[in-house]
Amino acid sequence: DGGITQSPKYLFRKEGQNVTLSCEQNLNHDAMYWYRQDPGQGLRLIYYSQIVNDFQKGDIAEGYSVSREKKESFPLTVTSAQKNPTAFYLCASSPSGRAPQETQYFGPGTRLLVL
Amino acid sequence: AQSVTQLGSHVSVSEGALVLLRCNYSSSVPPYLFWYVQYPNQGLQLLLKYTSAATLVKGINGFEAEFKKSETSFHLTKPSAHMSDAAEYFCAVSVSQRVGYQKVTFGIGTKLQVIP
Repeated sequence: DGGITQSPKYLFRKEGQNVTLSCEQNLNHDAMYWYRQDPGQGLRLIYYSQIVNDFQKGDIAEGYSVSREKKESFPLTVTSAQKNPTAFYLCASSPSGRAPQETQYFGPGTRLLVL
Repeated sequence: AQSVTQLGSHVSVSEGALVLLRCNYSSSVPPYLFWYVQYPNQGLQLLLKYTSAATLVKGINGFEAEFKKSETSFHLTKPSAHMSDAAEYFCAVSVSQRVGYQKVTFGIGTKLQVIP
């Protein structure tokens, strides 16, 4: 079955530590996204990518980094510069990211907690 | 710029009662509108979307929504609530922010509680 997988389901970060969240899709989609979800704030876009080896900052990119070396994979690193990383992180993909009528397909999410 | 307002962060209904979740949008260009549902500790999945083909849109699990341009609204309804409908619902607006880029803005979400 086609879909998006995210790992791990839960992740714990210590002070000053960088952590990486994995996102893989087998939908053959060009576009991939990372969102942060906090209670009462909806989803906020961190980074997006419409093509391999290219990505753009979203609304809240500070303290995060990404890479897009393969079409299927879009890992997100939460750096030590992100002072409030506790949140639910959602990865999504869409066929091209260029047409406004496209549906975004979401992974199951990773919950990041700070120790 | 576009925006989405979901009125009521929490809505409670009795099992079998009408479900009405409100969504109003703002957009300077013709929008596409979506409703997504999120069950606890899961990702979002599409309920339905408006793409200008018809103003009344039917989705999965008996939900439907009506696009009303004059009211800038896209409210989600279901005639009879089921316990399995308890979840968080997100309205989203999507536009072409510039050539070749889809900009999606999500509302803050409405948690639906269904009381037996």
